[in-house]
Amino acid sequence: GENVEQHPSTLSVQEGDSAVIKCTYSDSASNYFPWYKQELGKRPQLIIDIRSNVGEKKDQRIAVTLNKTAKHFSLHITETQPEDSAVYFCAASIPGYALNFGKGTSLLVTP
Amino acid sequence: DVKVTQSSRYLVKRTGEKVFLECVQDMDHENMFWYRQDPGLGLRLIYFSYDVKMKEKGDIPEGYSVSREKKERFSLILESASTNQTSMYLCASSLKQGINEQYFGPGTRLTVT
Repeated sequence: GENVEQHPSTLSVQEGDSAVIKCTYSDSASNYFPWYKQELGKRPQLIIDIRSNVGEKKDQRIAVTLNKTAKHFSLHITETQPEDSAVYFCAASIPGYALNFGKGTSLLVTP
Repeated sequence: DVKVTQSSRYLVKRTGEKVFLECVQDMDHENMFWYRQDPGLGLRLIYFSYDVKMKEKGDIPEGYSVSREKKERFSLILESASTNQTSMYLCASSLKQGINEQYFGPGTRLTVT
């Protein structure tokens, strides 16, 4: 089955800096790659996703890039703010099927 | 507004008890999922269901069973709770076709003593 690896497990940045989280996947059939944000004590919520026919997608301060050849994808957060502090999960799947999640990255943005 | 609800936010049970965790979604989603979340291990899939009365094992099904008698409801059952099942349990749902964003419930923190 699909195996998703996520790095780093923890990340600390200063407010205003950029943060990058990287994931790799094993199943070349995967073509849907979402990112979820989970704030402390809350449920995971989708923040951005990308499908395999697209190499990059942006939504304000967040962007995701996908390299299908290398089987890796990354989340980029620019101009980080304290409210970006959370655990971020990447995932991979075939659309309509169960998501395979990475183990998460705990991001801390310090003022 | 999209809504996935779980029957309890916190639950304390004794070893050997039978435990039912209920999940209800009001979005007419075909797919429903049960995950457990443990620190450092991320979200691990226990079971999922693509339709009423259908179920598929996930990565860690041992010690669990599920039931889906109605489209909107997906139940997770711990036949005989053990201390290593102390965890946060998250339910999710998604459409079968098209955009398959998974919507999560608030979670149930289960403690087995």
